[in-house]
Amino acid sequence: DIQMTQSPSTLSASVGDRVTITCRASQSISSWLAWYQQKRGKAPKLLIYRASTLESGVPSRFSGSGSGTEFTLTISSLQPDDFATYYCQQYNSYPFTFGPGTKVDIK
Amino acid sequence: QVQLVQSGAEVKKPGASVKVSCKASGYTFTAYNIHWVRQAPGQGLEWMGWINPNSGGTNYAQKFQGRVTMTWDTSISTAYMELSRLRSDDTAVYYCARSEIVLMVHDYWGQGTLVTVSS
Repeated sequence: DIQMTQSPSTLSASVGDRVTITCRASQSISSWLAWYQQKRGKAPKLLIYRASTLESGVPSRFSGSGSGTEFTLTISSLQPDDFATYYCQQYNSYPFTFGPGTKVDIK
Repeated sequence: QVQLVQSGAEVKKPGASVKVSCKASGYTFTAYNIHWVRQAPGQGLEWMGWINPNSGGTNYAQKFQGRVTMTWDTSISTAYMELSRLRSDDTAVYYCARSEIVLMVHDYWGQGTLVTVSS
């Protein structure tokens, strides 16, 4: 199975900050990576797929980059609605696997 | 609008089975895969597998092979996930999620179903 890691595990930030989350795969997954946002008690929400394609309706302050084994999710200017946990997921090979998550909380 | 509505919470004893339903609306049910993802309390997300309601094709994560069965009923646009021989560590929120046939990202999710396994 492909192992996904994320760093940091927790990130404390303020409204307006630029935030970057890193996701690494244990082997190359090309660009078959998605990012999800999950708020407490809610289902995950798709933000980005194919490493850098923004899902329809997702604010443009979210962006993704990377390929192969290293990927990043960037929030250009953190908004109050963005405090949540973020997961990456590879869908290059079965079983699809998620990273352990990065919690973004209020500094 | 696209909606996936799941069945209600379940409490099961170890060794029993549970069957969770996921009713789709707002799109052509057979044109998309349905995936199942679970989340243990306070933990991350774990992908379990998918079913294609058009072809009947499935792909289960090896971890769940032999214990999970994913089925569907096109007449009521509903997918099902049955997990057998339940253990306490199967306690989790189970989500269904939709994906395109080729692009396997989960663009719409159900609200989740809490399954508690306890003696």
